[in-house]
Amino acid sequence: GESVGLHLPTLSVQEGDNSIINCAYSNSASDYFIWYKQESGKGPQFIIDIRSNMDKRQGQRVTVLLNKTVKHLSLQIAATQPGDSAVYFCAEKAYTGGGNKLTFGTGTQLKVEL
Amino acid sequence: NAGVTQTPKFQVLKTGQSMTLQCAQDMNHEYMSWYRQDPGMGLRLIHYSVGAGITDQGEVPNGYNVSRSTTEDFPLRLLSAAPSQTSVYFCASKPSGANVLTFGAGSRLTVL
Repeated sequence: GESVGLHLPTLSVQEGDNSIINCAYSNSASDYFIWYKQESGKGPQFIIDIRSNMDKRQGQRVTVLLNKTVKHLSLQIAATQPGDSAVYFCAEKAYTGGGNKLTFGTGTQLKVEL
Repeated sequence: NAGVTQTPKFQVLKTGQSMTLQCAQDMNHEYMSWYRQDPGMGLRLIHYSVGAGITDQGEVPNGYNVSRSTTEDFPLRLLSAAPSQTSVYFCASKPSGANVLTFGAGSRLTVL
């Protein structure tokens, strides 16, 4: 889930297991959501996105679930691999008076144990 | 394609010094932006540009200037560095109307 402290929440999984990373978003008017992966020392990299008129979207080994009722987003990674070790964070897009605004979460550290 | 290229990757400044973080993209993206990333916080938007000659402030613009003279380049200037500007800076770009940003590798700045 999201963190407001200095330390990122950490999810440790065994190689080959499925991972579920959660994100609670804040704005009920948000109409688009993105998951990013950030490896150590690198920039964020797009993984998958979903629009608010959908509740599920699948990619290669990844699935995003959206529950608008409780404003919750999750990223599921199937058969987690060592290369999946990274920080994952979600972003939400909402239209404000000044235009579209993208708000990023603080992230979850995924550690894959061999 | 190189994507989004940021330089330098690391920089140490003394309080009061000025410097420019460079950002270049070769994807012909109209939109470019600068974010800072600090521990325990999500990426925060500093400045953005929707096209050459157009810039606007983001969430945390104080202490930073930008310009956009070409589509490709979007430099971020620190006029008088302060310790509070110690952070990792990311440049990102996207085509106009798209939602997904392409990020650079980041520039780690330390202000002593």
